[in-house]
Amino acid sequence: DARVTQTPRHKVTEMGQEVTMRCQPILGHNTVFWYRQTMMQGLELLAYFRNRAPLDDSGMPKDRFSAEMPDATLATLKIQPSEPRDSAVYFCASGLNRDSLTGELFFGEGSRLTVL
Amino acid sequence: KNEVEQSPQNLTAQEGEFITINCSYSVGISALHWLQQHPGGGIVSLFMLSSGKKKHGRLIATINIQEKHSSLHITASHPRDSAVYICAVPKYNQGGKLIFGQGTELSVKP
Repeated sequence: DARVTQTPRHKVTEMGQEVTMRCQPILGHNTVFWYRQTMMQGLELLAYFRNRAPLDDSGMPKDRFSAEMPDATLATLKIQPSEPRDSAVYFCASGLNRDSLTGELFFGEGSRLTVL
Repeated sequence: KNEVEQSPQNLTAQEGEFITINCSYSVGISALHWLQQHPGGGIVSLFMLSSGKKKHGRLIATINIQEKHSSLHITASHPRDSAVYICAVPKYNQGGKLIFGQGTELSVKP
């Protein structure tokens, strides 16, 4: 049963600490998205990779956020230093992109981050 | 005006009722996604469609590309259908970057 796996599911940390969230996309998918969801803003795109190359990270605060795909089976989202306003649920999604069209997206269960 | 607009924003129905959620968009698209999110839960992709109609169980999604409108229908609604339903479209020529509607929160009462 193929699915997107995210870790950790829940994270509580103190302001200033580094947070790393991990995502294992579905094998064979070549597109990976990181989204953040808050009550106020809804779903926001943070970063987007195709074939491991970052295509768009304009939604990500560059001074503290970084996103990477060290290999095809792992995407990471790092926040350093974390701030209370980063508290949100972070979703990873993967899909198969052909000819600039991405098919159905599969979402992970999310990582709920609380920064105190 | 948002590029993707959903209506209604909130919907309460009695079990068994037929439900319709609407999505209008102003951008050119190749396909449209309907997503479901249960309270405190993950996001599930229900449909991706680029024309016509798709059916999965009690869920039906339709799209009219010319009118830039899609609908999600739920037949014989059940309390377990209570969730937020989100319409999303990829930005034209931007690969797969999705623009999300604000979501429709559905509550089905027994």
